[in-house]
Amino acid sequence: DARVTQTPRHKVTEMGQEVTMRCQPILGHNTVFWYRQTMMQGLELLAYFRNRAPLDDSGMPKDRFSAEMPDATLATLKIQPSEPRDSAVYFCASGSPGSWSNVLTFGAGSRLTVL
Amino acid sequence: LAKTTQPISMDSYEGQEVNITCSHNNIATNDYITWYQQFPSQGPRFIIQGYKTKVTNEVASLFIPADRKSSTLSLPRVSLSDTAVYYCLVGDRGTDKLIFGTGTRLQVFP
Repeated sequence: DARVTQTPRHKVTEMGQEVTMRCQPILGHNTVFWYRQTMMQGLELLAYFRNRAPLDDSGMPKDRFSAEMPDATLATLKIQPSEPRDSAVYFCASGSPGSWSNVLTFGAGSRLTVL
Repeated sequence: LAKTTQPISMDSYEGQEVNITCSHNNIATNDYITWYQQFPSQGPRFIIQGYKTKVTNEVASLFIPADRKSSTLSLPRVSLSDTAVYYCLVGDRGTDKLIFGTGTRLQVFP
């Protein structure tokens, strides 16, 4: 089965440090999403791309978060500087082309702990 | 943004049918309504999607009324391995953002 690959799976860092999470979407998928999951907020949409172009990143704090797709095989989510409230599981998902289809394939997630 | 509501938790026994409803308003007119299953330490996994009426696949059925203000996931004859959190996913009418429901934790007992 084709899968979405996320790295790192776990990251523990100190407040103020830069964190970069990476995602390799499924080859041929043209949409990529970043979600954050916490107990309190559930699954929140941070940003998403279509054909590598950012369509919306209004779900993430602009002053510290940034999301990019340098090429079709890599999406990145960066936090600089990190804060304890950023501790969460970050999921990347990719979707195949198709009108109105919302079938997404998720990675296993990156669990971030900021001390 | 589209608002969704799901029951926080449900309990069932093996072999029973389970129905989980998601209420959603302000969803995109032309988008599918999709359901996902999530196990601990894993990403959500696609179960089923539909637009209107009823859709059935090998693991579940999905019922969507004509007004599309809700959807009901039906799991026939659940087993212990169906213990998980279930989410609906809808598109927001104004922005086309894909918004997850609040999630329903299903516990299946022997």
